[in-house]
Amino acid sequence: EDKVVQSPLSLVVHEGDTVTLNCSYEVTNFRSLLWYKQEKKAPTFLFMLTSSGIEKKSGRLSSILDKKELFSILNITATQTGDSAIYLCAVDDPNFGNEKLTFGTGTRLTIIP
Amino acid sequence: EPEVTQTPSHQVTQMGQEVILRCVPISNHLYFYWYRQILGQKVEFLVSFYNNEISEKSEIFDDQFSVERPDGSNFTLKIRSTKLEDSAMYFCASTRTVNEKLFFGSGTQLSVL
Repeated sequence: EDKVVQSPLSLVVHEGDTVTLNCSYEVTNFRSLLWYKQEKKAPTFLFMLTSSGIEKKSGRLSSILDKKELFSILNITATQTGDSAIYLCAVDDPNFGNEKLTFGTGTRLTIIP
Repeated sequence: EPEVTQTPSHQVTQMGQEVILRCVPISNHLYFYWYRQILGQKVEFLVSFYNNEISEKSEIFDDQFSVERPDGSNFTLKIRSTKLEDSAMYFCASTRTVNEKLFFGSGTQLSVL
């Protein structure tokens, strides 16, 4: 069974700090790893990673994948209160057909002004 | 950006009643999904649907669940006889092709009393 483990489960930092969120996974067959941000309801897409070592960047957020060690990190620099959310990591295993994502439990990030 | 829309946003029902959750996927998308998230738990895959048939379903998706695409735009999830443990946030999602990011709707919060 595919497994996704995120750490820490919860993180509280001050505005302006930099945070690193971790995601490790075990899958039978790997196609991609995705990061989502969940504020109130729907997960909103952040990054899709398929290749090792290539950093994806969007503003203050960046992410990288290590397919040898089976993990990914999500970095957020100069955090703002609007970054407070649950960050979800998910893996896509093509053995399970079309886009059956396996999610981790998420990291709850709280930014204190 | 195009959106997946879900109705209703909240649904309260009595145990044993049937409920239908409705979704309008993004118009040029071909793959449709239902996920659910029990309060405080992981987002879990329920079912994927392509070309008017189920392509993959999880162990959660038992005989009480069914999906349908009754016309060219709607995608529905029916729970025939709801149980207390069906209380969860139900997310619809869609993609244009495989190996693409999932676009999630804002969810239907189902409460079974």
